[in-house]
Amino acid sequence: DAGVIQSPRHEVTEMGQEVTLRCKPISGHNSLFWYRQTMMRGLELLIYFNNNVPIDDSGMPEDRFSAKMPNASFSTLKIQPSEPRDSAVYFCASSPGSADTQYFGPGTRLTVL
Amino acid sequence: QKEVEQNSGPLSVPEGAIASLNCTYSDRGSQSFFWYRQYSGKSPELIMFIYSNGDKEDGRFTAQLNKASQYVSLLIRDSQPSDSATYLCAVQNTGGFKTIFGAGTRLFVKA
Repeated sequence: DAGVIQSPRHEVTEMGQEVTLRCKPISGHNSLFWYRQTMMRGLELLIYFNNNVPIDDSGMPEDRFSAKMPNASFSTLKIQPSEPRDSAVYFCASSPGSADTQYFGPGTRLTVL
Repeated sequence: QKEVEQNSGPLSVPEGAIASLNCTYSDRGSQSFFWYRQYSGKSPELIMFIYSNGDKEDGRFTAQLNKASQYVSLLIRDSQPSDSATYLCAVQNTGGFKTIFGAGTRLFVKA
């Protein structure tokens, strides 16, 4: 199995631009999670989906952030407009069920100038 | 009070020693507990999970859970320089719908 796939691995953009991060979970996993990690705040859960349905988006920092999961094999996290304080590593993780071990992707390092 | 608390460290131990990593949590109804290891620049990966009070051993790693004290720990025996990483404690909240991660403890094992 290829594991969780994320793209791009690195993204550098200018303030105000739209950023789209992509994730392909492990086949057969029903739950998908988006996290943000910074030195200051650690690993923060942004949103998670179960069977493609958003269950908890209370971690989404503000309306500039949105996430979708149109099917079981693909999810996106969009930031529009981006701000320098959004600079972080964004991880996608999947698990067989919401209570199971999570398998993390390699992450996307986002830098907003 | 944070939902999951860990000593940020760094914790420094000599090679061959026992490293003890600790974690406390606030949700008394939590049922599932995980330890993840994260090397610098890499993504977290699962080390162990524990559901029941007591000890659970896997090779050089032992997870300990005390639900009455809301405390979970990870012991690493015969520590190796390759164990140097950040260790994240993760706790699943009541109902099992959300996993909360601690800030992590940085461990350095000196050769």
